[in-house]
Amino acid sequence: DTEVTQTPKHLVMGMTNKKSLKCEQHMGHRAMYWYKQKAKKPPELMFVYSYEKLSINESVPSRFSPECPNSSLLNLHLHALQPEDSALYLCASSRYLAGLGHTGELFFGEGSRLTVL
Amino acid sequence: DQQVKQNSPSLSVQEGRISILNCDYTNSMFDYFLWYKKYPAEGPTFLISISSIKDKNEDGRFTVFLNKSAKHLSLHIVPSQPGDSAVYFCAASVQGAQKLVFGQGTRLTINP
Repeated sequence: DTEVTQTPKHLVMGMTNKKSLKCEQHMGHRAMYWYKQKAKKPPELMFVYSYEKLSINESVPSRFSPECPNSSLLNLHLHALQPEDSALYLCASSRYLAGLGHTGELFFGEGSRLTVL
Repeated sequence: DQQVKQNSPSLSVQEGRISILNCDYTNSMFDYFLWYKKYPAEGPTFLISISSIKDKNEDGRFTVFLNKSAKHLSLHIVPSQPGDSAVYFCAASVQGAQKLVFGQGTRLTINP
């Protein structure tokens, strides 16, 4: 199983809503990532979890709250978002960890397309 | 500051010919480079990588070349096939870090 599964595929929410994006992998990877991609732009790193602990936060606003309940699951909780937060949110996982060599190959999910009204 | 740049937003190539996608980087600390392919409505898929200790890595129809002095890498696809039509992202990282920095992407179209 080399899949990273993301749900929902599409999400429309108002600025006062609270919603969550979910990501799951069963490859035994201990590093998981959230990336954000706007149209015609490259993916931009938001958060990295290593062994279920937050290791990188790229100065993301607190209206985005990540959570890693276990080694297979990664959530992104959304609250009081702005229309400019509309984007494709990509989850990824990888085998390697910092200090042990390179990140290596990231396996990406299909993404959750978020629209904030 | 765009540390990884793909200056060609799009490229059109005839089926069977060679496709060459280019990528430049500015951070001399980068020592590992990857190419990803992305179809619409799908996440990026890993294609091929190269470490800075090498100048070439080949995998089937795909070859990546690295020119460290020029801070330039390229992806060669030969022969190009219609299924290769996608957006290709170049990415770079530093050993020990968990961050991949992506270029803006190049949309490759293979014409029959």
